[in-house]
Amino acid sequence: QQQVKQSPQSLIVQKGGIPIINCAYENTAFDYFPWYQQFPGKGPALLIAIRPDVSEKKEGRFTISFNKSAKQFSLHIMDSQPGDSATYFCAASGVSGTYKYIFGTGTRLKVLA
Amino acid sequence: DAMVIQNPRYQVTQFGKPVTLSCSQTLNHNVMYWYQQKSSQAPKLLFHYYDKDFNNEADTPDNFQSRRPNTSFCFLDIRSPGLGDAAMYLCATRISSGYNEQFFGPGTRLTVL
Repeated sequence: QQQVKQSPQSLIVQKGGIPIINCAYENTAFDYFPWYQQFPGKGPALLIAIRPDVSEKKEGRFTISFNKSAKQFSLHIMDSQPGDSATYFCAASGVSGTYKYIFGTGTRLKVLA
Repeated sequence: DAMVIQNPRYQVTQFGKPVTLSCSQTLNHNVMYWYQQKSSQAPKLLFHYYDKDFNNEADTPDNFQSRRPNTSFCFLDIRSPGLGDAAMYLCATRISSGYNEQFFGPGTRLTVL
């Protein structure tokens, strides 16, 4: 119930491609879904986040698609660049309660030049 | 700039020798978290503070302790580090109201010899 399943584990795309990372959750009490980007040796940084009252959110080249009925959400990176090569984590959280994130297992993305 | 600061960035200790990692924040956030992250894995929550209230994860070993003397500072004490405790330790903060992100520090890389 508390798990967030993330796939794929790793992804390689050519520059300009559109990598898609998928996450699925079970707990319907989750109502905040952030995506974090982490470079080697650095702390995770928030990329984009969505709430379940919208089906899509765009910020620059990054888009979250959200399917509430399926309990799934995904990250799309448009026109991917080598600088986007990093590990991406999805997470889920509830506003009320303990404020904890449940993280997905991470996706290591490599964008080839 | 408001931020989360972790010191030291790199810490080397001997097997069994106590070590303290520190985190400070200028964000005035009332929730602070300590995570352990091993290579290629998601951050694993050890404990968090909601104001002064301490919340320990059920699977956090007794070897790990924490102190939060005031809003700005939080410490992670590892009483008798083992080889398995070598990891990146991440501090994060959050304001408890509404849909707000967790801000992560840069992490402390702990090596146990």
